[in-house]
Amino acid sequence: DAGVIQSPRHEVTEMGQEVTLRCKPISGHDYLFWYRQTMMRGLELLIYFNNNVPIDDSGMPEDRFSAKMPNASFSTLKIQPSEPRDSAVYFCASSIGGDHEQFFGPGTRLTVL
Amino acid sequence: QKEVEQDPGPLSVPEGAIVSLNCTYSNSAFQYFMWYRQYSRKGPELLMYTYSSGNKEDGRFTAQVDKSSKYISLFIRDSQPSDSATYLCASRVNYGQNFVFGPGTRLSVLP
Repeated sequence: DAGVIQSPRHEVTEMGQEVTLRCKPISGHDYLFWYRQTMMRGLELLIYFNNNVPIDDSGMPEDRFSAKMPNASFSTLKIQPSEPRDSAVYFCASSIGGDHEQFFGPGTRLTVL
Repeated sequence: QKEVEQDPGPLSVPEGAIVSLNCTYSNSAFQYFMWYRQYSRKGPELLMYTYSSGNKEDGRFTAQVDKSSKYISLFIRDSQPSDSATYLCASRVNYGQNFVFGPGTRLSVLP
């Protein structure tokens, strides 16, 4: 099994640009989570989906952030426009039935200049 | 106040030492408690979980929860350099609900 796949692994962009992060969950997993990790704030849940439906997006910091899951094998997290304070590592994770074990991807390291 | 607190460390110990990692939480509704391990530049991975108060042992690792004091502990016996990582505790109210993660404690086990 390839595990959770995220792309790109690294992204450097300038303030104001649109950023799209991608995630492919493990096949058969019905929960998908987007997290953001920084030194200051730790690992924060942004949004999670169950069977492609957003369940809780209360962690999305502001309207500049949006997430979609058009099908069971693909999700995107978009930031438009990006700001320097969005610089962080963004993780996607998936699980079966909301189990205690979430499988994390390798993360996307985002730097906004 | 964050719902789950941890001392960020770093914590450095010699190989073979017993390591104690701790978290406190504020939400008395939390019932499930997890420990995740995160190696540098990797995603976290589940180490073990417990339900409600009590102990759970898995090899060199023991997780302990005291709900009366809202205190979560992870003990590592005979620590190895390969245990060097960041350890994150996490809690949730019910199965299927989202986790709240602590900020993590960075551990270094020196050979």
